[in-house]
Amino acid sequence: AQKITQTQPGMFVQEKEAVTLDCTYDTSDPSYGLFWYKQPSSGEMIFLIYQGSYDQQNATEGRYSLNFQKARKSANLVISASQLGDSAMYFCAMREGPSGGYNKLIFGAGTRLAVHP
Amino acid sequence: KAGVTQTPRYLIKTRGQQVTLSCSPISGHRSVSWYQQTPGQGLQFLFEYFSETQRNKGNFPGRFSGRQFSNSRSEMNVSTLELGDSALYLCASSLDSDEQFFGPGTRLTVL
Repeated sequence: AQKITQTQPGMFVQEKEAVTLDCTYDTSDPSYGLFWYKQPSSGEMIFLIYQGSYDQQNATEGRYSLNFQKARKSANLVISASQLGDSAMYFCAMREGPSGGYNKLIFGAGTRLAVHP
Repeated sequence: KAGVTQTPRYLIKTRGQQVTLSCSPISGHRSVSWYQQTPGQGLQFLFEYFSETQRNKGNFPGRFSGRQFSNSRSEMNVSTLELGDSALYLCASSLDSDEQFFGPGTRLTVL
């Protein structure tokens, strides 16, 4: 069965430092997609980054990069140069099946990140 | 380009009532998915609509239903509300499966 595991309920980091949020997944489908979302206290889910299972390169979007290790079934999010505004809940999610197919996302429990000045 | 909008943003109902939530996707997006977020269960998939057809459904009772209109706007209905239905309801729209954009959510409180 598909599953997403985020083992860090909470993390803190000093401003301007890098932080890695862990995510492992389990699926038997060779085609899948992995997502990271940020949820501030306002509740809105903000899309950060996407990695397809067949993508050769690790995805990057500005200060966000996804460390995709397919054999280990991990998709860790790396935030470089943390900012105070990065304090939020972060969710890892997975979609089984190829792009263009069903859009059902399975979410992990989330990691609460606190950035300290 | 306008983002995903959800109305209302906040709702208070009593047990036994029914409620309808609305979601307008990003222009051009034909897929709308609904999720329930609670402190105990986290984020759970409710259903997805694509071109007015439900093409995927999560493990929720039949009290939860939805529909999508020809302009891709979607509504979600919950009948016979229970206290446990109190949650943040999020909808997401997508052009394809590579990016799904969420709305601000509707926070439902059942008293």
